[in-house]
Amino acid sequence: GENVEQHPSTLSVQEGDSAVIKCTYSDSASNYFPWYKQELGKRPQLIIDIRSNVGEKKDQRIAVTLNKTAKHFSLHITETQPEDSAVYFCAASEPPMRFGAGTRLTVKP
Amino acid sequence: DAGVIQSPRHEVTEMGQEVTLRCKPISGHDYLFWYRQTMMRGLELLIYFNNNVPIDDSGMPEDRFSAKMPNASFSTLKIQPSEPRDSAVYFCASSLRPWDTEAFFGQGTRLTVV
Repeated sequence: GENVEQHPSTLSVQEGDSAVIKCTYSDSASNYFPWYKQELGKRPQLIIDIRSNVGEKKDQRIAVTLNKTAKHFSLHITETQPEDSAVYFCAASEPPMRFGAGTRLTVKP
Repeated sequence: DAGVIQSPRHEVTEMGQEVTLRCKPISGHDYLFWYRQTMMRGLELLIYFNNNVPIDDSGMPEDRFSAKMPNASFSTLKIQPSEPRDSAVYFCASSLRPWDTEAFFGQGTRLTVV
């Protein structure tokens, strides 16, 4: 089955800086790559996704890139704000959807 | 739609007792997933259903765990007997097309086995 690895496990940035989280996956059959944000005590919620026929997608301060050849994808958050502090999960879906271990992002004001 | 609904939100039980977690997926979603979240193992897929049929239960930790989906609007995850190491947050999620659309998560059930 699919194996998703995510790095780093923790990330601390200053407000206004950029944050980058990277993931790799193992199964070339995976074709959908969502990113979820989980605030403390809450459910994971989708923030952005990318499909296998697209290399890059952007939504305001958030962007995701996908390299299918290398089997890796990344989340980029620009101009970080304190409310971006949360745990971020990448996932790869064949289906089913399998998640990386998560990155705890802390944005310091 | 009210989203994916799970019950109970919190469950505290004694070791050895049976625990049943419940989930109502979003109407029209043909796929339902059960995940377990712990600090050590993150979000693990336990089992998923397509049109009420279990497709992959390879993530179910052991025979103490069982899941059913008797109809399109209801699923249960049962642990019998429960053990302290089962303590975790259990999420149910549903999806229309999991190969290109998001999975919507319920609020989760926080299970504590003492």
